[in-house]
Amino acid sequence: KAGVTQTPRYLIKTRGQQVTLSCSPISGHRSVSWYQQTPGQGLQFLFEYFSETQRNKGNFPGRFSGRQFSNSRSEMNVSTLELGDSALYLCASSFRQLDSYNEQFFGPGTRLTVL
Amino acid sequence: LAKTTQPISMDSYEGQEVNITCSHNNIATNDYITWYQQFPSQGPRFIIQGYKTKVTNEVASLFIPADRKSSTLSLPRVSLSDTAVYYCLVGSNAGNMLTFGGGTRLMVKP
Repeated sequence: KAGVTQTPRYLIKTRGQQVTLSCSPISGHRSVSWYQQTPGQGLQFLFEYFSETQRNKGNFPGRFSGRQFSNSRSEMNVSTLELGDSALYLCASSFRQLDSYNEQFFGPGTRLTVL
Repeated sequence: LAKTTQPISMDSYEGQEVNITCSHNNIATNDYITWYQQFPSQGPRFIIQGYKTKVTNEVASLFIPADRKSSTLSLPRVSLSDTAVYYCLVGSNAGNMLTFGGGTRLMVKP
């Protein structure tokens, strides 16, 4: 079956703008998690959505937000972009079973460059 | 969440077996040990997961001693395409909130 897809793959924005990234999970997966990857900080967890509700949140400012739709597709938004927001943004999906480990399947990421 | 420590980088040659060790002294009773692989400009990919003793799949083996304070990912007969960053993660089913450490950058040379 198709993997996790993310759009767009590349994006260039300027400081102060806002951006919306999209993620379509694997069919049947209801959990979508977002991660930010930078050379300096590595891979950091942003937030997780399950059944249209945010279930977990990482240590990021309120400029970073997200949502999930009824078809499990998710979007994340970053407002008032800063240079430090330049990163690879990764989306991962899973079944999210409560009593067992949930293997996460990652998409290819969106490369955001803030000028 | 248990903190993990693994070597920053390792070099190997094609055809060799590679062992990457991860330390996780504060692992909790219900924590699993999971390894992910990441190629440049791609998302991480699940390799293997275990709780104790030894786990083997088609790509790797995972060795976990009785005290579970460390684990070793073993890649048999590596090839150039195994050049990647390997992440060791320790955690329970904490709502899909994966905590990645620095990872080990494996370079396989011809």
